[in-house]
Amino acid sequence: SYVLTQPPSVSVAPGQTARITCGGNNIGSKSVHWYQQKPGQAPVLVVYDDSDRPSGIPERFSGSNSGNTATLTISRVEAGDEADYYCQVWDSSSDHLAVFGGGSQLTIL
Amino acid sequence: QITLKESGPTLVKPTQTLTLTCTFSGFSLSTTRVGVGWIRQPPGKALEWLALIYWNDDKRYSPSLKSRLTITKDTSKNQVVLAMTNMDPVDTATYYCAHSRDYFDYWGQGTLVTVSS
Repeated sequence: SYVLTQPPSVSVAPGQTARITCGGNNIGSKSVHWYQQKPGQAPVLVVYDDSDRPSGIPERFSGSNSGNTATLTISRVEAGDEADYYCQVWDSSSDHLAVFGGGSQLTIL
Repeated sequence: QITLKESGPTLVKPTQTLTLTCTFSGFSLSTTRVGVGWIRQPPGKALEWLALIYWNDDKRYSPSLKSRLTITKDTSKNQVVLAMTNMDPVDTATYYCAHSRDYFDYWGQGTLVTVSS
């Protein structure tokens, strides 16, 4: 089965840029989706299809995907961005199944 | 606007079958390419995808749980039901349903299910 690997934690100072990676075998050939989850809340889609943003998501959130790594970039980080972030793909090699990464906790210093 | 809400028991005993219902509004599960999925999250742990049903009744299951899961839909009632057999304490988690159109763009609030005797 397809495996997505994320760093457990990422720390960044307010106003700086946070980069959260999601590793997978040839992930660049897949569409990657990113979710933000704050404590006690349901996940929220923040980036879909590698780099598109749903309505209402700030332009500070962006994504890229190439080779074996996809990246969620959060520019000008704010205290309110502190959350867990999950990447997700569809594994079409295994009957089109959803796969989530293990999640990365973003801490604002 | 699209909304989803999970319902079902908050406590089940080991070996019992869990049945959860996702009741949704704002979309039709007969629309091409639309699906409803179930995702769970044990306390303090990561998201785990469980199952998904598509508009055409195509069904997908997590390989590790496939033998225990059954997903069905009632288009007329705007509901999707997930059944999970032989529940164990390790299945204690918040269970979410979500609208899917290649990605999970709308989620329910989740329902916490505890497995304990």
